Amino acid sequence: GEDVEQSLFLSVREGDSSVINCTYTDSSSTYLYWYKQEPGAGLQLLTYIFSNMDMKQDQRLTVLLNKKDKHLSLRIADTQTGDSAIYFCAESIPGGSYIPTFGRGTSLIVHP
Amino acid sequence: KAGVTQTPRYLIKTRGQQVTLSCSPISGHRSVSWYQQTPGQGLQFLFEYFSETQRNKGNFPGRFSGRQFSNSRSEMNVSTLELGDSALYLCASSPGGGRAGNEQFFGPGTRLTVL
Repeated sequence: GEDVEQSLFLSVREGDSSVINCTYTDSSSTYLYWYKQEPGAGLQLLTYIFSNMDMKQDQRLTVLLNKKDKHLSLRIADTQTGDSAIYFCAESIPGGSYIPTFGRGTSLIVHP
Repeated sequence: KAGVTQTPRYLIKTRGQQVTLSCSPISGHRSVSWYQQTPGQGLQFLFEYFSETQRNKGNFPGRFSGRQFSNSRSEMNVSTLELGDSALYLCASSPGGGRAGNEQFFGPGTRLTVL
């Protein structure tokens, strides 16, 4: 079955890099997503990566995928206070229902 | 393109009542999914509709139901409300078609409080 796990909290100083980690259990080819949720809002898709890729970079965001360990990370460079939010990792499996399975979310707190 | 809209944004009901929430997907999107988000359980999948048919269903009791109209707008209904139904209900649309990588676009949610 599918299961996605994330740590619940991360606190960083403004200007530092943030690294949010996620592990998943299904070794089938998957799409893996990172979503951001700001207070009082819905989820916003930040980026996604297919399992035949190792890395994807988009401006301040870098996604790294270790398929062997089923480990996904999101690195935010030069973290700003506006990056404070909950970050969700999710996966979906081709050939299945395509409905993403979400982790519990990591609350990123950026302090001055 | 306009994003996913949900109405109402906030709702207060009492136990035993029923409630209907509405979702308008992004124009051209045929798939609408509903999620319940609570602090204790996180984000849980309720159901997905595609072309007016329920295509996938999560693990929720029959008190939770939904439907989709020909214009892809969707409603979900919760009958006989319980205190534990208090949550943020999120709607997400995607182009559909069953392709992997069909990322979902979320609405702002409806905050339901059951007293």
